[in-house]
Amino acid sequence: GENVEQHPSTLSVQEGDSAVIKCTYSDSASNYFPWYKQELGKGPQLIIDIRSNVGEKKDQRIAVTLNKTAKHFSLHITETQPEDSAVYFCAASRDTGRRALTFGSGTRLQVQP
Amino acid sequence: NAGVTQTPKFRVLKTGQSMTLLCAQDMNHEYMYWYRQDPGMGLRLIHYSVGEGTTAKGEVPDGYNVSRLKKQNFLLGLESAAPSQTSVYFCATRRSLASYEQYFGPGTRLTVT
Repeated sequence: GENVEQHPSTLSVQEGDSAVIKCTYSDSASNYFPWYKQELGKGPQLIIDIRSNVGEKKDQRIAVTLNKTAKHFSLHITETQPEDSAVYFCAASRDTGRRALTFGSGTRLQVQP
Repeated sequence: NAGVTQTPKFRVLKTGQSMTLLCAQDMNHEYMYWYRQDPGMGLRLIHYSVGEGTTAKGEVPDGYNVSRLKKQNFLLGLESAAPSQTSVYFCATRRSLASYEQYFGPGTRLTVT
């Protein structure tokens, strides 16, 4: 089955700096890669996603890049703010009926004011 | 429009007791999922449903049962709780076969002593 590895497990940045979180996946048939933000005591919130037919997607301060050949994808957050502090999860799924997500182990991002 | 709700929010069980977790959605989504989240790990799929009256096993189904008698509700049952089932349980929904995005509920924190 699919295996998703995520790095780093913790990341501390100064407010205004950029943050990058990286994930690799094992199943070359995976074609959908979402990123979730989870705040303490809450459920994961979808913040951006990318499908395998594009290499990059951007939404304001957040961008995701995908390298299908290397089987890795990354989340980029620019101009970080304290409210970006949370745990971020990457995930992958393939085109089966269930399209269940396989998650990475998470990155705790702390933005220091 | 409440989205995805889960009840209860917290529960403590003794080993061997049973309970049912309820996930309810008001978005008319076809697909529903149950995941569990353990410390330092990504979410793992327990069971899922592709529509009213249908259920299927995920990665970690042992010790759990599910039912989807109504489209808007997905129930997760523990017949005889074990300490290994101490976890945070999340429900998610997906609109249709053609869609990719999954939307998560706020979670249920379960402790089995």
